[in-house]
Amino acid sequence: KAGVTQTPRYLIKTRGQQVTLSCSPISGHRSVSWYQQTPGQGLQFLFEYFSETQRNKGNFPGRFSGRQFSNSRSEMNVSTLELGDSALYLCASSLDGYDRGGNSPLHFGNGTRLTVT
Amino acid sequence: AQTVTQSQPEMSVQEAETVTLSCTYDTSENNYYLFWYKQPPSRQMILVIRQEAYKQQNATENRFSVNFQKAAKSFSLKISDSQLGDTAMYFCAFMNPTISNFGNEKLTFGTGTRLTIIP
Repeated sequence: KAGVTQTPRYLIKTRGQQVTLSCSPISGHRSVSWYQQTPGQGLQFLFEYFSETQRNKGNFPGRFSGRQFSNSRSEMNVSTLELGDSALYLCASSLDGYDRGGNSPLHFGNGTRLTVT
Repeated sequence: AQTVTQSQPEMSVQEAETVTLSCTYDTSENNYYLFWYKQPPSRQMILVIRQEAYKQQNATENRFSVNFQKAAKSFSLKISDSQLGDTAMYFCAFMNPTISNFGNEKLTFGTGTRLTIIP
């Protein structure tokens, strides 16, 4: 089974631009979560989608948004990029929305490294 | 809010030795899950081991085991017979299932411990 696939692996943007990152979950997984990883703040939860609906959201400004498609693939978008948005963005999927927490652990992708100049 | 603390930013150990990584957390909840994730240079977060708070028995996965002390809110990871492939960042993480019926709640991560296995 293919793992969680994130594209692109690397991205360089300038301040003020917007960016879209893509995540394809493991086949059969319906929940997709996004995390931001920076040296200063560590790993922080962005949001989680299940069946095309956002169920959980972290403490990020409205410039960060996402969506999920009917095939469970997810995209996240960051508008009006700031230097502080430079980070590794990790996507994770899990099997079953009815099987919570430890019984359905997250499987992560390799991340997209976003650099904002 | 839950917090997770990893007090060892870096550790190193000789190959084949045993190493223990520390993690403490703070929560007022009684039911929750704890995880250790490994992040090698490939950047992918890999689940190492998980523990349900309602289970008293410590989880084990081959060379990896935990010492879960619920009253002390401590969740350490022991790696036995360490191997070069164990070199990575290790993150302790906490998840608190909510009343909602669906899906995974968010993970709260610690700041990580960089572990180096020395040949």
